[in-house]
Amino acid sequence: GAVVSQHPSWVICKSGTSVKIECRSLDFQATTMFWYRQFPKQSLMLMATSNEGSKATYEQGVEKDKFLINHASLTLSTLTVTSAHPEDSSFYICSARAPRTTGELFFGEGSRLTVL
Amino acid sequence: GQSLEQPSEVTAVEGAIVQINCTYQTSGFYGLSWYQQHDGGAPTFLSYNALDGLEETGRFSSFLSRSDSYGYLLLQELQMKDSASYFCAVRDPGGGATNKLIFGTGTLLAVQP
Repeated sequence: GAVVSQHPSWVICKSGTSVKIECRSLDFQATTMFWYRQFPKQSLMLMATSNEGSKATYEQGVEKDKFLINHASLTLSTLTVTSAHPEDSSFYICSARAPRTTGELFFGEGSRLTVL
Repeated sequence: GQSLEQPSEVTAVEGAIVQINCTYQTSGFYGLSWYQQHDGGAPTFLSYNALDGLEETGRFSSFLSRSDSYGYLLLQELQMKDSASYFCAVRDPGGGATNKLIFGTGTLLAVQP
């Protein structure tokens, strides 16, 4: 199946700093990628849709100035958590839909963010 | 909006059969998917039903009834490695060409020896 890679897999940062998470589609081009957030023992909540070459589309309640998304190429999307606070600590997962498949999403390994 | 409800936890023994239900309320419908997620890992795709009926893939089967807004995932010959969280998901019809996926509340399956 298609491969989506995410980096870093885990990160610890101090409150007030910014953290960038990268999501790459390794063997296909993705014009659209999706960023999800998952708190412990909860479901995956869609944060935003990353669109190559244009602005991301954010879900209701997600602060676009806090969660900056850049999709500069067909294989890379980045999520930057700006001025991180402890409540931003979560598991962030990106995904993409590969072409010529039945439409399922392929997920990255996830990035566990801990803000101290 | 979209909402998908699942039982929070299910427990079964090795070798048994377990069914995980999903009821949904959506403003439109483009099929029901199922994903498996082991603790700390990435979700992986299991199955997809666009039409009513049963889809079988090895030990896993998925069923859909659009008239009842209901589906289920059936796991047969349970193995310890099947212990994981299982999520149903639907495409958001408001997502347009992006077809964003909305996930259910999730079911934690614990397989006991």
